[in-house]
Order: sequence, then C-alpha cells, then structure tokens
Amino acid sequence: NAGVTQTPKFRVLKTGQSMTLLCAQDMNHEYMYWYRQDPGMGLRLIHYSVGEGTTAKGEVPDGYNVSRLKKQNFLLGLESAAPSQTSVYFCASSYSDTTEAFFGQGTRLTVV
Amino acid sequence: GESVGLHLPTLSVQEGDNSIINCAYSNSASDYFIWYKQESGKGPQFIIDIRSNMDKRQGQRVTVLLNKTVKHLSLQIAATQPGDSAVYFCAEKASGTYKYIFGTGTRLKVLA
Repeated sequence: NAGVTQTPKFRVLKTGQSMTLLCAQDMNHEYMYWYRQDPGMGLRLIHYSVGEGTTAKGEVPDGYNVSRLKKQNFLLGLESAAPSQTSVYFCASSYSDTTEAFFGQGTRLTVV
Repeated sequence: GESVGLHLPTLSVQEGDNSIINCAYSNSASDYFIWYKQESGKGPQFIIDIRSNMDKRQGQRVTVLLNKTVKHLSLQIAATQPGDSAVYFCAEKASGTYKYIFGTGTRLKVLA
C-alpha cells in the first residue's frame, strides 16, 4: 500500500517556466489537498478537492491551478513560476472531512 | 534536507525521559485535533488525534490532552527514544470546514 505518492521529489525551474506536480493516492479517499511549507510557517493550504471533478481555493491559491479528473489523482500546476513559489509542496488525502489527512513525501521546488 | 522552519522552538530531552509538547490552538469552533510528526526531508506523519468530546486519548507511548477552556493541546511521549527526534505540530479543524489549521511546530531533540 503506497499511500500518497508525489512526483517529482525535486525540481528546479527558471522564472516564467511552467510545471505540474502530480499526487496519487491509493486509499480511495474523497478529499485531497495541496499545501506548501515554508520556513517558520505552518503548512498553508493552496487548493483542495472534495471529490472527483471538484476543486476549491485554499488560503494561498494565487499562481496555482489544480485539477481532479480522476479520484486518485490531484494535479497542481504552476503556469508561470516565480521565486516566491520556491517551497516544499505536500499533497495530502483524507477519507472524510472528520478524519486525519495522510501526507506524501513532498516536492522541493526551487524557482531561480 | 531541511524541510521545516529553522527557528522553531526546541525541546531537548534525555533519552528515556518523558516529553511534553504544547500547542495553543486558535479557533474555539475547532472540534477535531491531530498531532503530526515530521522528520527531516519527509512528509508529516499522523501520530494521534482527539475530538472535542474527549479531554484525553492514549496511544502507544503517546497521550494527547485537550483543554478546551484555554484552547490548549499537549502531546506526551513516554520514554522518549532517539527515533522520536523530529518536528511535531498540531492541527485543528472545525466541523463543516475542509481546512486544517496547522501550527508552526516544535523541534524535539533527544539527547543520548
């Protein structure tokens, strides 16, 4: 049982480039989330999804887009990367909104 | 590599001693609380959770205490081991919302 898997694990982008981070979960969870983690700050929610085909904005959605075409996958896109998006990105999933979230191993993104 | 804050409060304990990590939560409407452990370069790992209808819950070597009056949560680790060294943070959630609010964390260092 792999749980939550994120790809890639590391990436360096130039300002203005685009990329997509992939999150896959094999627990049949309805809820999926994308967070970013920066030094000295707690995890901040970027976007989330409460089911296949649905997405919603979190607290820091600007500069990111997401898609949930399949229940097991949640994609995070950066259309035009900026240095301020240098961070560690975590995907998470949960069975419901009243159960714990399981996290992936993270993607370390550097924008130069 | 370092994936969490560099200036987190640090708790240093001797191996074999008990550890107590504290968390003040912000939302009086929060009714679900989780403790996570995050090792360097890894994603947050679920330790234990508690709902607001309880004030204490025990797991294997861990106990979570909830004081709703002062909005305080604590994590007690018995017989702390070197493998417990990590950053620990709490998360809170209010029913009917999809957002977990994460604390910034406490670094636990276990001294041999």
